[in-house]
Amino acid sequence: AQRVTQPEKLLSVFKGAPVELKCNYSYSGSPELFWYVQYSRQRLQLLLRHISRESIKGFTADLNKGETSFHLKKPFAQEEDSAMYYCALSASAGGTSYGKLTFGQGTILTVHP
Amino acid sequence: DTGVSQDPRHKITKRGQNVTFRCDPISEHNRLYWYRQTLGQGPEFLTYFQNEAQLEKSRLLSDRFSAERPKGSFSTLEIQRTEQGDSAMYLCASTPQGRGPSTDTQYFGPGTRLTVL
Repeated sequence: AQRVTQPEKLLSVFKGAPVELKCNYSYSGSPELFWYVQYSRQRLQLLLRHISRESIKGFTADLNKGETSFHLKKPFAQEEDSAMYYCALSASAGGTSYGKLTFGQGTILTVHP
Repeated sequence: DTGVSQDPRHKITKRGQNVTFRCDPISEHNRLYWYRQTLGQGPEFLTYFQNEAQLEKSRLLSDRFSAERPKGSFSTLEIQRTEQGDSAMYLCASTPQGRGPSTDTQYFGPGTRLTVL
């Protein structure tokens, strides 16, 4: 079974401070991990995915298979980063889920001025 | 707007009534997903279509729930004999033809918020 855990429901930081949103997963196969973000009054959208190894809006996330984690990090938080962040997992190639996502509970990030 | 659209955006109904939601995916996206999101939780997978074929259904999808995608374009999700526990946000997402079974970016609609009184 797939499971995603985001231990922090709320995270508050000040502008310019580093931020780390934690995500741990449980999956017996080789997962694909994603971070989705929902800004106020907007729809859920992809922020980044581990397979791309990219930095989006200054955010990065490294898949650590040993610790089964996929924490989202940004060195200098901005007020516009305030949003709900969801970590999500998908079964890898060879499974039958074909992209079905398992989401964590989400973390509300608030960046104070 | 070429994004995923959902209709209605809000639905209030009385317990025991039937409701139907519609999702229009991005044009030519052949994969379509339905999720349900309750307060304080992340979205939970309900069902998945590839073109018109419903390939997977979650155990969350009781017999009162049915989804269709008759022509491989829009999809409908019907809930019969609604219960208060069905109150949630129902999200639809679509993806284009993938590069094999790996997930491509899922594009979400705005959701339909259902309230069962």
